[in-house]
Amino acid sequence: DQQVKQNSPSLSVQEGRISILNCDYTNSMFDYFLWYKKYPAEGPTFLISISSIKDKNEDGRFTVFLNKSAKHLSLHIVPSQPGDSAVYFCAASLGANNLFFGTGTRLTVIP
Amino acid sequence: KAGVTQTPRYLIKTRGQQVTLSCSPISGHRSVSWYQQTPGQGLQFLFEYFSETQRNKGNFPGRFSGRQFSNSRSEMNVSTLELGDSALYLCASSLAAGGYSEQYFGPGTRLTVT
Repeated sequence: DQQVKQNSPSLSVQEGRISILNCDYTNSMFDYFLWYKKYPAEGPTFLISISSIKDKNEDGRFTVFLNKSAKHLSLHIVPSQPGDSAVYFCAASLGANNLFFGTGTRLTVIP
Repeated sequence: KAGVTQTPRYLIKTRGQQVTLSCSPISGHRSVSWYQQTPGQGLQFLFEYFSETQRNKGNFPGRFSGRQFSNSRSEMNVSTLELGDSALYLCASSLAAGGYSEQYFGPGTRLTVT
């Protein structure tokens, strides 16, 4: 049973525009959420996180929004750059337990 | 500081065989987690080791096992390989155990079972 879902397997965006990646989760007990980025032939790298007590966290071009009532998480990248082209995974943590990952969204930023 | 290393990077095995994968964490990291990545399934948690003890285990059959040594290096073993075990196996290390601690991933071992 997939507790963290990324329903869009791929997304294409023009350079300079906003990229919005979405993630839904089913377990309301998740209290910490993360986004990881993965390039081919490399392991995922941490991008940004948010605690369940917040609804927004910003780091440069990356902003994560959390809507707990909708059990929805989104990552905004503004402006999008070709180097952002990668697979993005959202993940959720239950207390101090392991991470539950989504299936990933492949972002392609078109120059 | 050296990153997480995984060996081997690529492996081809036959059904029924067993395989051992190795992971060396970042120096000072005591937690090692293992994940299986397959198309359409994302990263599926296998298990986490902290200070040589298995702390958490995912929903995988007993053919999947692991261990951690006193230097925090970890090995994962899969016995009686099945075609469905073909996947990218990723390990990640972190300073502390659990999902709050930022995980640093290795490049993965690509296992192909024929």
